[in-house]
Amino acid sequence: EDQVTQSPEALRLQEGESSSLNCSYTVSGLRGLFWYRQDPGKGPEFLFTLYSAGEEKEKERLKATLTKKESFLHITAPKPEDSATYLCAVQAKGYSTLTFGKGTMLLVSP
Amino acid sequence: NAGVMQNPRHLVRRRGQEARLRCSPMKGHSHVYWYRQLPEEGLKFMVYLQKENIIDESGMPKERFSAEFPKEGPSILRIQQVVRGDSAAYFCASSPGEETQYFGPGTRLLVL
Repeated sequence: EDQVTQSPEALRLQEGESSSLNCSYTVSGLRGLFWYRQDPGKGPEFLFTLYSAGEEKEKERLKATLTKKESFLHITAPKPEDSATYLCAVQAKGYSTLTFGKGTMLLVSP
Repeated sequence: NAGVMQNPRHLVRRRGQEARLRCSPMKGHSHVYWYRQLPEEGLKFMVYLQKENIIDESGMPKERFSAEFPKEGPSILRIQQVVRGDSAAYFCASSPGEETQYFGPGTRLLVL
């Protein structure tokens, strides 16, 4: 059974204080690893897809990396508007569905 | 290009009533997925549909729940005889193929 574990569950940062979120996964064969951002009362918003170990993708202050066992979402010099819950999900080879972690709730204080 | 649309955004039902949740995928997307999010829980897959076909319903309870994606019109998730445990946020996602899924704003179901 595919499993995704995200840590920490919650993270509080000061504006400008860089940090990383972790996503550990077990999957029979990885087709893709996805990062989403979810604001309260809204649906998940797509951020990145990573397909193979060593791959990196960047978007503004966010950078996602992937190894064979985990993915990191690095947040550089965060701003209060980066406050949200960040979700990690895996898609196994031969399947279309996503298995999600419980998310990391990020709060960035000004 | 409009995103995934879901309605209603909020739905209140009494125990024993039926709930119907609608999802219109993004233009050009023929794959639809339904997920459920319970308080303090992650998103859980329920069912995957393409036009007029259920591809994977392994995450959907066998009783009271059904889903369809007709040739014309939105996808519908139907919950019959709702119970309090059905209270949750239900999200629909769509994709053009078997790749990145884009989510709608969700329907918050409250069962009294």
